Amino acid sequence: GDSVTQMEGPVTLSEEAFLTINCTYTATGYPSLFWYVQYPGEGLQLLLKATKADDKGSNKGFEATYRKETTSFHLEKGSVQVSDSAVYFCALNRFGGYQKVTFGTGTKLQVIP
Amino acid sequence: DVKVTQSSRYLVKRTGEKVFLECVQDMDHENMFWYRQDPGLGLRLIYFSYDVKMKEKGDIPEGYSVSREKKERFSLILESASTNQTSMYLCASSLFFDWRRVVTDTQYFGPGTRLTVL
Repeated sequence: GDSVTQMEGPVTLSEEAFLTINCTYTATGYPSLFWYVQYPGEGLQLLLKATKADDKGSNKGFEATYRKETTSFHLEKGSVQVSDSAVYFCALNRFGGYQKVTFGTGTKLQVIP
Repeated sequence: DVKVTQSSRYLVKRTGEKVFLECVQDMDHENMFWYRQDPGLGLRLIYFSYDVKMKEKGDIPEGYSVSREKKERFSLILESASTNQTSMYLCASSLFFDWRRVVTDTQYFGPGTRLTVL
């Protein structure tokens, strides 16, 4: 079956540091790939997505590239801010008649001033 | 903006009680989902619905049931709550096809209900 593996957290960074959160996936076919973010006390919201190989999703300074050859979708940001502190979920989506989304376990990011 | 609301942010129930969690979306979405979120386990799908009165089991349906009588509302029911159902419950919705008949698969989440079963 489908699976998503993302790096264990928590990740603690100083403000303005470079961020990478690794995500790899296993799926048949050509899934869409997502990063969702969950700020404290809130539900998840879409951060960025990519629908096919070599697509780059970007939003709010975050980027991720759909790499089919390495089955990866790593999240990066060049300079993190305290306001980026949150839990980040990698996910994949397949349509096999119905929408089926598989989430990773989440990576908590804490940015300190 | 899509809005997904959940009936309660925090809920405390006793073992054996019947519990109803309500979710409402305001964007005419066809798909609705119930997940539970637990530390170290991420999000796990309990049930989903792709149309009114239609439902499908997710990965962990045991101990839960659902109801979708209207397109905008999706209810999760714990028939007899147990302590191992203490968790954060998240509802989500998505539009299968947009007005151009293009598949669009972004999920929109509610704020969650933190349920404690004593």
